[in-house]
Amino acid sequence: AQRVTQPEKLLSVFKGAPVELKCNYSYSGSPELFWYVQYSRQRLQLLLRHISRESIKGFTADLNKGETSFHLKKPFAQEEDSAMYYCALNTFGNEKLTFGTGTRLTIIP
Amino acid sequence: GAGVSQSPSNKVTEKGKDVELRCDPISGHTALYWYRQRLGQGLEFLIYFQGNSAPDKSGLPSDRFSAERTGESVSTLTIQRTQQEDSAVYLCASSLRLAGGDTQYFGPGTRLTVL
Repeated sequence: AQRVTQPEKLLSVFKGAPVELKCNYSYSGSPELFWYVQYSRQRLQLLLRHISRESIKGFTADLNKGETSFHLKKPFAQEEDSAMYYCALNTFGNEKLTFGTGTRLTIIP
Repeated sequence: GAGVSQSPSNKVTEKGKDVELRCDPISGHTALYWYRQRLGQGLEFLIYFQGNSAPDKSGLPSDRFSAERTGESVSTLTIQRTQQEDSAVYLCASSLRLAGGDTQYFGPGTRLTVL
């Protein structure tokens, strides 16, 4: 069975400092990984997906199959990045997402 | 266009009562999902509908939980004889269900409190 682990429940980072939100997964096949974000009083929304290989709001994430990780990174944190971040896994032919428990990121001004 | 909508936004009920939660997906989205998020926990998959196929009910925690979907539109999640452990935010999402996986668009959720 697949599982997603986000080891940090809370993460505080100073504005302008680099951010890394950790995500590890367990799945024996070829996964598809996502990062979803929930800003205060907003609905959960897709931030980025690994197959797109794009940078959204300055965030990037690289799938590392050797380490089974999909860490989310941003070189310079901004105050508006404060939110709840969820890593999610989708497996081919199985449309339901498996979510991690989330990391609450707080950017300190 | 309009996003996924859910109603009610909040529901307080007494233990043992039945509740019905509603989800209106984005028009044209063939796939619809229900998730549950208990306090301090991640999202937990409940059920998935795709077109006219039999739903994937593998995430439903007990037979007190059931869900229906009318064609490719509205879905209702019903919880019978609610228990305090059913208290959670129930999220609905819809997607186009493109091959190889697709983006799920979430509703605002229904916060259920069982007293």
